[in-house]
Amino acid sequence: QKEVEQNSGPLSVPEGAIASLNCTYSDRVSQSFFWYRQYSGKSPELIMSIYSNGDKEDGRFTAQLNKASQYVSLLIRDSQPSDSATYLCAVRSEDNFNKFYFGSGTKLNVKP
Amino acid sequence: DTEVTQTPKHLVMGMTNKKSLKCEQHMGHRAMYWYKQKAKKPPELMFVYSYEKLSINESVPSRFSPECPNSSLLNLHLHALQPEDSALYLCASSQDLTGLKTQYFGPGTRLLVL
Repeated sequence: QKEVEQNSGPLSVPEGAIASLNCTYSDRVSQSFFWYRQYSGKSPELIMSIYSNGDKEDGRFTAQLNKASQYVSLLIRDSQPSDSATYLCAVRSEDNFNKFYFGSGTKLNVKP
Repeated sequence: DTEVTQTPKHLVMGMTNKKSLKCEQHMGHRAMYWYKQKAKKPPELMFVYSYEKLSINESVPSRFSPECPNSSLLNLHLHALQPEDSALYLCASSQDLTGLKTQYFGPGTRLLVL
């Protein structure tokens, strides 16, 4: 059973701080990783994808991947109250490229 | 454009009703998905179509019947549902390449079964 683990939170950070969201995965051969943001009652929205070890930056978001440690993280700089949402980590299966495994999500609260 | 559309947005149905959920994308994606999501849980995969053929069925009860009429459309036919089937039903699509593949979700249909 391939697993994707996230701390369910809630993670509370003050406005303007850096929020750090973490995800570990069990399948050592995984190559493709995704972060989705989901507001309450809405559908998941793709924030970042990352495929290579290291950092990938997009605006206030930075995804970090360490395949040796089977660890992927999402940093949100200058957190805003509008970033308050559940963040889902997803890993694409290498056995079946059409299958994605999701973590249970981390709820982020950004306090004004 | 990364838009996946779904209709209806909301649906209330009785246990004896038959209804259908619809999903459409015009991104040229050849893989399309149905997920079910309960509150405070991650999306749970139901079905995957790849090149209009059913490639994954995650042991979903037969009261859910998927259909892929063409590469842009995906339907989910519902019949004799149970109250526990009430959930947010999400459609998604992705490119069917062996390389990079990103999945995009539609806005979902919130289903209530009475």
